[in-house]
Amino acid sequence: DAGVIQSPRHEVTEMGQEVTLRCKPISGHDYLFWYRQTMMRGLELLIYFNNNVPIDDSGMPEDRFSAKMPNASFSTLKIQPSEPRDSAVYFCASSPSGQETQYFGPGTRLLVL
Amino acid sequence: GEDVEQSLFLSVREGDSSVINCTYTDSSSTYLYWYKQEPGAGLQLLTYIFSNMDMKQDQRLTVLLNKKDKHLSLRIADTQTGDSAIYFCAESRSGGYNKLIFGAGTRLAVHP
Repeated sequence: DAGVIQSPRHEVTEMGQEVTLRCKPISGHDYLFWYRQTMMRGLELLIYFNNNVPIDDSGMPEDRFSAKMPNASFSTLKIQPSEPRDSAVYFCASSPSGQETQYFGPGTRLLVL
Repeated sequence: GEDVEQSLFLSVREGDSSVINCTYTDSSSTYLYWYKQEPGAGLQLLTYIFSNMDMKQDQRLTVLLNKKDKHLSLRIADTQTGDSAIYFCAESRSGGYNKLIFGAGTRLAVHP
């Protein structure tokens, strides 16, 4: 298996622009997680899905952030409009079930100027 | 990561053993994990231990769990330069799914 795939790997954009991050989980995994990593706050869970349904989005910073999972093999995290404080590494992870290990993608490094 | 604490930095000489420590807060945690993050890369699962175990060994890695003190450690024997990375401790929280709470990470620097 190719593991969790994320794109793009790097994104540089200007403040106010829309940013879309993409994730393909490991095939057969029912859970998908979006995390954000910053120096100041470490790793934070933003949202997770079970069988394509968002279950807990309490970690989403504000209304500028939205996430979707239209099918079992694809998820997006969108920031609109983006701000410099959104600069971080965004990780997607998937898990076969709720009680099993999470496998992380390589991350998307976002820089908002 | 405020509920899981790790020291931020560890420096060791190549060939020596490294011990990375972690304290957690939830006594009901089912699993405890160690992830490794190399520069510019994602998190790689290194090993994990069930909460009913005291020790787990996997080649050069030894995990020790002290449930009474809520203390977890990762020992890397014969540390190599390729082991230089950030190591994250994570505890799982119950509640429907395996919610992971991560520590801030320990940066391991291996020098000749």
